Amino acid sequence: GAGVSQSPSNKVTEKGKDVELRCDPISGHTALYWYRQSLGQGLEFLIYFQGNSAPDKSGLPSDRFSAERTGGSVSTLTIQRTQQEDSAVYLCASSLLGVDTQYFGPGTRLTVL
Amino acid sequence: QKEVEQNSGPLSVPEGAIASLNCTYSDRGSQSFFWYRQYSGKSPELIMSIYSNGDKEDGRFTAQLNKASQYVSLLIRDSQPSDSATYLCAGDSYNQGGKLIFGQGTELSVKP
Repeated sequence: GAGVSQSPSNKVTEKGKDVELRCDPISGHTALYWYRQSLGQGLEFLIYFQGNSAPDKSGLPSDRFSAERTGGSVSTLTIQRTQQEDSAVYLCASSLLGVDTQYFGPGTRLTVL
Repeated sequence: QKEVEQNSGPLSVPEGAIASLNCTYSDRGSQSFFWYRQYSGKSPELIMSIYSNGDKEDGRFTAQLNKASQYVSLLIRDSQPSDSATYLCAGDSYNQGGKLIFGQGTELSVKP
């Protein structure tokens, strides 16, 4: 079956521009996580959606970051007024339930010039 | 104290040796634990999950869970150069709203 997909795979943008990153989770998975991973670093938790509950936004680094999940499926992570320090790989993962095995997408590599 | 802690390494072992990767966690209520492998430039992929005290074996991999001491380990027998990667430990945390918490990862290098 289809795994988690993310688009675009690569995104190069100029400082100050807004970007949108998309995640399509595995069908039927109720939980969806966004992470950021800088080069050589661990996973930095950003946001967590679980079913119809209010999302856990505790990992978002600033108010320039936001995410939504429409219809309990596709999620979009938006970064406004991008900065060079936002350059990283953004990973999405989904799981059947919040504390189940997470399946990761291939990531979006964001480069802010 | 971090919820899930791992030694960052790098851990270097010769080919054919046993690699031992360790992880400690702080939430005594944690029930589910996972080991992921991440090759450079790739996404993490699940190696094993463990939920009960004791050992769980899958091929060359053995996960060990000790809830009393709050640690989880992963043993890789007959290590191969292809095992060289970063290994991420994760555990559920109800202190953190019931989500999975990842450690920072341990880099493993298997030398031929």
